[in-house]
Amino acid sequence: EDQVTQSPEALRLQEGESSSLNCSYTVSGLRGLFWYRQDPGKGPEFLFTLYSAGEEKEKERLKATLTKKESFLHITAPKPEDSATYLCAVQAPGNQFYFGTGTSLTVIP
Amino acid sequence: DSGVTQTPKHLITATGQRVTLRCSPRSGDLSVYWYQQSLDQGLQFLIQYYNGEERAKGNILERFSAQQFPDLHSELNLSSLELGDSALYFCASSGREGSDQPQHFGDGTRLSIL
Repeated sequence: EDQVTQSPEALRLQEGESSSLNCSYTVSGLRGLFWYRQDPGKGPEFLFTLYSAGEEKEKERLKATLTKKESFLHITAPKPEDSATYLCAVQAPGNQFYFGTGTSLTVIP
Repeated sequence: DSGVTQTPKHLITATGQRVTLRCSPRSGDLSVYWYQQSLDQGLQFLIQYYNGEERAKGNILERFSAQQFPDLHSELNLSSLELGDSALYFCASSGREGSDQPQHFGDGTRLSIL
């Protein structure tokens, strides 16, 4: 069964303390892996798309990487405004989309 | 602001009733996706339309149906509502069908079944 698992479920960091979020997937025939940020009461906001193993994308303090079975979202020197839930999603053949349950990140000043 | 508009923001109704959720995609986007987000689950993909035609179906119940109109707005119809249907319903849109098109989400409709 196609599945997306994110870890940890929750993460508390001090401001400036770098860390990584994990997204592992069992989807066959991956067409794309997506990272989103979701703030309370809002819809997910698109961050990155990755297509093949070895690919990396960066945006400000965030960097996403992809291997054959997992993706990492690295957060460098986070700030309180980076606090949010980070969602990972994969697109499988047949245009099926599977989301993980997210990592809730809190950055403490 | 993603440019995707969902109405209403909140909806409270009773079991057995029927409701319609509406979504206006970003200007120029042809694809619309519907998702359900419950407290204990992640976003569950329901259905996708592209330029008026159904393109993909996920875990959508038979009591649920959707359509996309010629002006590209979409409606999700939920009938014979049950307590378990209480959730956030999100609509997303993208420009084309390809995986290189990120989905842009609205802020959702919160449905509460009493």
